[in-house]
Amino acid sequence: AQTVTQSQPEMSVQEAETVTLSCTYDTSESNYYLFWYKQPPSRQMILVIRQEAYKQQNATENRFSVNFQKAAKSFSLKISDSQLGDTAMYFCAFGGEYGNKLVFGAGTILRVKS
Amino acid sequence: GAVVSQHPSWVICKSGTSVKIECRSLDFQATTMFWYRQFPKQSLMLMATSNEGSKATYEQGVEKDKFLINHASLTLSTLTVTSAHPEDSSFYICSARTAKGNEQFFGPGTRLTVL
Repeated sequence: AQTVTQSQPEMSVQEAETVTLSCTYDTSESNYYLFWYKQPPSRQMILVIRQEAYKQQNATENRFSVNFQKAAKSFSLKISDSQLGDTAMYFCAFGGEYGNKLVFGAGTILRVKS
Repeated sequence: GAVVSQHPSWVICKSGTSVKIECRSLDFQATTMFWYRQFPKQSLMLMATSNEGSKATYEQGVEKDKFLINHASLTLSTLTVTSAHPEDSSFYICSARTAKGNEQFFGPGTRLTVL
């Protein structure tokens, strides 16, 4: 069975600075998908970024980028130029090749301070 | 695109009554829908997976007779909490996926409070 581990329960960062959230996972599958979701105080789950395991290039979405290390089974999220609106709980998630259920990590609460 | 709605957003009910929560995909056909439960400051716990026209698959430890899931159409799934008790109070989130997609689109969630 797949597992996802987020080892940072809470983090804080100053506005405009950069922060990295860690995620490791375990799987025996070779093709899969990895996701970072953001859950702000409204509790609406928002997809931040996704990565296909077969792609070597790290995904980027504006201020958000990932460092995907397949051999190490690591998938960290870097947020550049942090904004107050980035304050949220962030979940790392694993999805199998055939798009069935997602396995979520425990989450990291990120607080951006002004 | 890819909008999922949930209704109601918040419901309060008395212990022993049943509550139905609807999950709708507004602009796509959802062949698979998922129901999650989330406690404050915790992760999402998958309760069940439902495919249109077939019985839901429940995760281990989830009582299927208590949490009735119906996925009667490609745009609607319902979760009915039967004989609700205070310990069923939680935040329930649904998500939906297309036939070929591997991304899940999430609804805004429903807060259930059982008195």
